[in-house]
Amino acid sequence: DAGVIQSPRHEVTEMGQEVTLRCKPISGHNSLFWYRQTMMRGLELLIYFNNNVPIDDSGMPEDRFSAKMPNASFSTLKIQPSEPRDSAVYFCASSLWDRATDTQYFGPGTRLTVL
Amino acid sequence: SQQGEEDPQALSIQEGENATMNCSYKTSINNLQWYRQNSGRGLVHLILIRSNEREKHSGRLRVTLDTSKKSSSLLITASRAADTASYFCATRANNLFFGTGTRLTVIP
Repeated sequence: DAGVIQSPRHEVTEMGQEVTLRCKPISGHNSLFWYRQTMMRGLELLIYFNNNVPIDDSGMPEDRFSAKMPNASFSTLKIQPSEPRDSAVYFCASSLWDRATDTQYFGPGTRLTVL
Repeated sequence: SQQGEEDPQALSIQEGENATMNCSYKTSINNLQWYRQNSGRGLVHLILIRSNEREKHSGRLRVTLDTSKKSSSLLITASRAADTASYFCATRANNLFFGTGTRLTVIP
């Protein structure tokens, strides 16, 4: 099993540009999570999907952020327009939704730098 | 916020010593999980303890949970340099909320 795959691993862009982060969850998992990690705010849940449906997007900072999950094997997180304060490491995680054993499996992350 | 808080924020020990990290949280939970994050990597699940459990072991890891005090501890015995990482507790109610992490450094 390849685990959760994220791309790109590193992204450097200029303020105002559109950024798209991609995630492929573990095959068979039915839940997908997007997190953002910074030194100041720690690990923040942005949005999560269950069976491709967004369940809770209350962590999405503002309308510049959007996420989609068109099918069970792919999700995107888009920032448009990007701002320097969006610089962070963005993680995607997936799990097999089960209240008893809902371990999340994290991807390697995308380090985003907005200049 | 239900977010857990780890204590201490940073811990430095000699190889072979035991490392203890604590986690406190605010609301009722279904389970509590501990994750490890090596520098530049994603989080890796270590162990899960359910709300009706008090103690759990996995290899050199020992986790305790006191729901009356809303606290948990992670003990790593006989630490190794490879244990150097950040450790996060995560509490599960409806969602999974991660704490702020403890940065553990094990000196060879």
